[in-house]
Amino acid sequence: AQSVTQLDSQVPVFEEAPVELRCNYSSSVSVYLFWYVQYPNQGLQLLLKYLSGSTLVKGINGFEAEFNKSQTSFHLRKPSVHISDTAEYFCAVSRIQGAQKLVFGQGTRLTINP
Amino acid sequence: DTEVTQTPKHLVMGMTNKKSLKCEQHMGHRAMYWYKQKAKKPPELMFVYSYEKLSINESVPSRFSPECPNSSLLNLHLHALQPEDSALYLCASSQGLLGNTEAFFGQGTRLTVV
Repeated sequence: AQSVTQLDSQVPVFEEAPVELRCNYSSSVSVYLFWYVQYPNQGLQLLLKYLSGSTLVKGINGFEAEFNKSQTSFHLRKPSVHISDTAEYFCAVSRIQGAQKLVFGQGTRLTINP
Repeated sequence: DTEVTQTPKHLVMGMTNKKSLKCEQHMGHRAMYWYKQKAKKPPELMFVYSYEKLSINESVPSRFSPECPNSSLLNLHLHALQPEDSALYLCASSQGLLGNTEAFFGQGTRLTVV
């Protein structure tokens, strides 16, 4: 089975400051990794995904994430945040072989203060 | 068209009512999903359809009844719900069963059971 741990339930940051949202996963098989964002009263939107290749993945809205296999981590970063980045962020994994579902972490609420 | 459309956006129903949630996609995706999301929690998988056949039922109570009439449509029939079933219901689709394919989510139906 797979599990995902997002270490921070809430992260407050000032506008234009850098931010890192942490994600660790556990799996006995190889997995793909995803970050989704959910704005208030909205569905989920894919920010970025790691499938293979370069461990540094760039996504939409200036976000990037780095896959670290030895530490089983997939932390999300942005060098300078905006008010519009205020949202809930979910890290998720799916099995490479025979995957039928995403396993989500508990989410991190990112709040940007002016 | 990269949209998953869910209707209605909001639904209030009594515990004796019968209602249906509808989900539509025109991306040619062959896998469709229902998720339930309670406030401040990650989405929880309910059902997976693959090529219009039910592939996964995550032990969902029978008062929730999914239906996939064709490859573009997914319904969730609701009957005799309880107040604790109030939640955001999200539909998603992917090109195939998850693995390296991205899941696209709808905006959700916010359901209130009174």
